[in-house]
Amino acid sequence: GESVGLHLPTLSVQEGDNSIINCAYSNSASDYFIWYKQESGKGPQFIIDIRSNMDKRQGQRVTVLLNKTVKHLSLQIAATQPGDSAVYFCAENPSSGGYNKLIFGAGTRLAVHP
Amino acid sequence: DTGVSQDPRHKITKRGQNVTFRCDPISEHNRLYWYRQTLGQGPEFLTYFQNEAQLEKSRLLSDRFSAERPKGSFSTLEIQRTEQGDSAMYLCASSPSGLSYNEQFFGPGTRLTVL
Repeated sequence: GESVGLHLPTLSVQEGDNSIINCAYSNSASDYFIWYKQESGKGPQFIIDIRSNMDKRQGQRVTVLLNKTVKHLSLQIAATQPGDSAVYFCAENPSSGGYNKLIFGAGTRLAVHP
Repeated sequence: DTGVSQDPRHKITKRGQNVTFRCDPISEHNRLYWYRQTLGQGPEFLTYFQNEAQLEKSRLLSDRFSAERPKGSFSTLEIQRTEQGDSAMYLCASSPSGLSYNEQFFGPGTRLTVL
């Protein structure tokens, strides 16, 4: 089958460990951020989002941290499972109000080993 | 399945031919987006519809590309006189409208290969 992200940076973790995926965004005016997971041959799947008036948001097994000072976003996955293996993209909305056009980062491949 | 659907899933064509892709968004979603994704890259924004109105087009959308959403429901993306550089995954996404930000729900994509 086809492969998403052939030459992406890869994070390799052991099953059960915590994973941290980092992302630097480009536009200081961006006010909304999303993390997406993409498995091979599929479209991106929403994981978690955060607005710029927050610095942390938690979901089920996932936490997103936002540092606007250095324009940095991170995704933490607790107790990583083999099903978490995929390419992860951060995306930013550079528009204020209106519709949410997204600008995606380059992506990171997460490989979970048993 | 009430998610975003796209048709076809795969398309192989010869250079110079025209192709058309279809996207059916989630039924209550007013906003529809087209993105293009090449191997090793994140999706790149192409165009956006609010109901039937096309409100923004990226510079990536050359004159050979045209998108429509005639009744504010499904959308089509046509590429005329395809070139090898058009080979990519074409993704459609939809979201509800409103004052607050909403996640975009992506379809499975159409993989285009231009020979």
